[in-house]
Amino acid sequence: KAGVTQTPRYLIKTRGQQVTLSCSPISGHRSVSWYQQTPGQGLQFLFEYFSETQRNKGNFPGRFSGRQFSNSRSEMNVSTLELGDSALYLCASRPAFDSYEQYFGPGTRLTVT
Amino acid sequence: SQQGEEDPQALSIQEGENATMNCSYKTSINNLQWYRQNSGRGLVHLILIRSNEREKHSGRLRVTLDTSKKSSSLLITASRAADTASYFCATDAQGAQKLVFGQGTRLTINP
Repeated sequence: KAGVTQTPRYLIKTRGQQVTLSCSPISGHRSVSWYQQTPGQGLQFLFEYFSETQRNKGNFPGRFSGRQFSNSRSEMNVSTLELGDSALYLCASRPAFDSYEQYFGPGTRLTVT
Repeated sequence: SQQGEEDPQALSIQEGENATMNCSYKTSINNLQWYRQNSGRGLVHLILIRSNEREKHSGRLRVTLDTSKKSSSLLITASRAADTASYFCATDAQGAQKLVFGQGTRLTINP
């Protein structure tokens, strides 16, 4: 099976802009989670989607949003970008909501200037 | 905020030696997982230990869990250069069903 794919892999944006990142889970996986990784804060949970519904949400402002489509692909959007949003954004999928092991994609490196 | 703390933050050893990393967490958990990350890439799942287990092995990996101390350790035996990576523990807090990661240990294996 193909692994989790994320597009784009690298992105440079300017403060105030918005950005959309995409994640395709492993075929058959219905749960998709998003994480932000920065040197200062480490890996932080953003949100999780299962069957097109947001099931869990982390402590991030409303500028961070996401959605999941019927084919389990997911997108996350960040509006009004700030310098502090520069990070590696990781997507992970798992087969079911009660599966524990997560399969991570390679990440999208977002740089905000 | 991070659930766990890992120590050491960085570890440098010679190839062939054993590497031990520790993780502490704060709340009751369903299970604890260890992941590896190579150089800013995605994470790879290594091993999962459930809250009712005390020790688990997988190849050169040995994980222990002490729920009374809210701590876990990961031992990598006979280290190889390819083991150079950052290692993270992640807990699935009871009722939360989301992974909370520690800050990670950066392991360097010197040839």
